[in-house]
Amino acid sequence: EVQLLESGGGLVQPGGSLRLSCAASGFTFSNYAMTWVRQAPGKGLEWVSSINNSGGSTYYADSVKGRFTISRDNFKNTLYLQMDSLRVEDTAVYYCAEGGGSKWFDPWGQGTLVTVSS
Amino acid sequence: EIVLTQSPATLSLSPGERATLSCRASQSVGKYIGWYQQKPGQAPRLLIYDASNRATGIPARFSGSGSGTDFTLTISSLEPEDSAVYYCQQRTKWPLTFGGGTKVEIK
Repeated sequence: EVQLLESGGGLVQPGGSLRLSCAASGFTFSNYAMTWVRQAPGKGLEWVSSINNSGGSTYYADSVKGRFTISRDNFKNTLYLQMDSLRVEDTAVYYCAEGGGSKWFDPWGQGTLVTVSS
Repeated sequence: EIVLTQSPATLSLSPGERATLSCRASQSVGKYIGWYQQKPGQAPRLLIYDASNRATGIPARFSGSGSGTDFTLTISSLEPEDSAVYYCQQRTKWPLTFGGGTKVEIK
């Protein structure tokens, strides 16, 4: 069974940093692109960033470009999102999902909540 | 950026009725529209991919159609468990984008 388990969320002050992790199991992680999608409280879905299977290509939404960095460790079957210079508007549940680019997002993790507040 | 506009924002129907949800793209996305269902407190799940293909395990009452800029998700006979928000998404061009969602309420 494919499983994606996010961790690393929490409360952080504006301007601070946080690193999210997504541990994958049940599939050959190194074969698939991966993606982060976020959802602000009471709002819709927003694509954040994707990375190809090797980690050689990365893509970012304009809203996070230059502040967030997506990466992966194919030996540890883990996806990461390093979030720097956090803003109040980055407050959201962050989901990791298998897919991106040429593949649809399926499945999704359960999400981890990031709250940016002073 | 490709903007996806979903309508209506909310749909309130009774069990057994037919639901028709629309997703319109600001430019052609070919067949590359997916539909996701999100229930309260849960992660989204893929329902339909490439406009008209049901994902694994999705009941036959869910169907998708369309191409180019206009797409439709149809639920042929609503069940109580179909109460959720439905999002369309395109993967034709970066940045990947989602529509704003349609909330389906069951009376």
